[in-house]
Amino acid sequence: GAVVSQHPSRVICKSGTSVKIECRSLDFQATTMFWYRQFPKKSLMLMATSNEGSKATYEQGVEKDKFLINHASLTLSTLTVTSAHPEDSSFYICSARLSTGAGELFFGEGSRLTVL
Amino acid sequence: AQTVTQSQPEMSVQEAETVTLSCTYDTSESNYYLFWYKQPPSRQMILVIRQEAYKQQNATENRFSVNFQKAAKSFSLKISDSQLGDTAMYFCAFMKNNAGNMLTFGGGTRLMVKP
Repeated sequence: GAVVSQHPSRVICKSGTSVKIECRSLDFQATTMFWYRQFPKKSLMLMATSNEGSKATYEQGVEKDKFLINHASLTLSTLTVTSAHPEDSSFYICSARLSTGAGELFFGEGSRLTVL
Repeated sequence: AQTVTQSQPEMSVQEAETVTLSCTYDTSESNYYLFWYKQPPSRQMILVIRQEAYKQQNATENRFSVNFQKAAKSFSLKISDSQLGDTAMYFCAFMKNNAGNMLTFGGGTRLMVKP
């Protein structure tokens, strides 16, 4: 099946700094990618839909100036957590949509962010 | 808006036995897709099985099968011959047709397979 890779898998940063997480579709082109946030022992909450070449669509309650999303190519979307605070600590997961066939979604391995 | 409910936060099953995970959903849509995803300790989400709402036949993938009751808005997952590697979080998910693959997830069920 198709492979989606996230980097880094774990990151620790100081409060007030910015962190960038990358989501790559390794063997297919993805016009649409999704970013989720998952708290411990909780479900995935959709944060935003990332569309190649256009602005991301954010879910209600998600600060777009806080969570910057860039989808500059058909294989890469990035999520930048700006001015991170401890409450931003979470597990962030991306998924990419296969643009052919049934449009199945493939998920990355996730990135654990810890803000000190 | 759609909601997906998984009423069993945790379940356990003995190896080689069968277990059924419950999922109910609420929607006014008539065309949609339902999924079960597995999230093992490695945390990467893996698609287990999918069901198109317009299909009456229940989907089956090897040891995994679903009981799809459209009128009752129920979509349970049956795992037969449970294996230790089935230990994971299982999420039921809903997607409207033509929704751009936007998934709504249930709260998840943590399944432990015991030797």
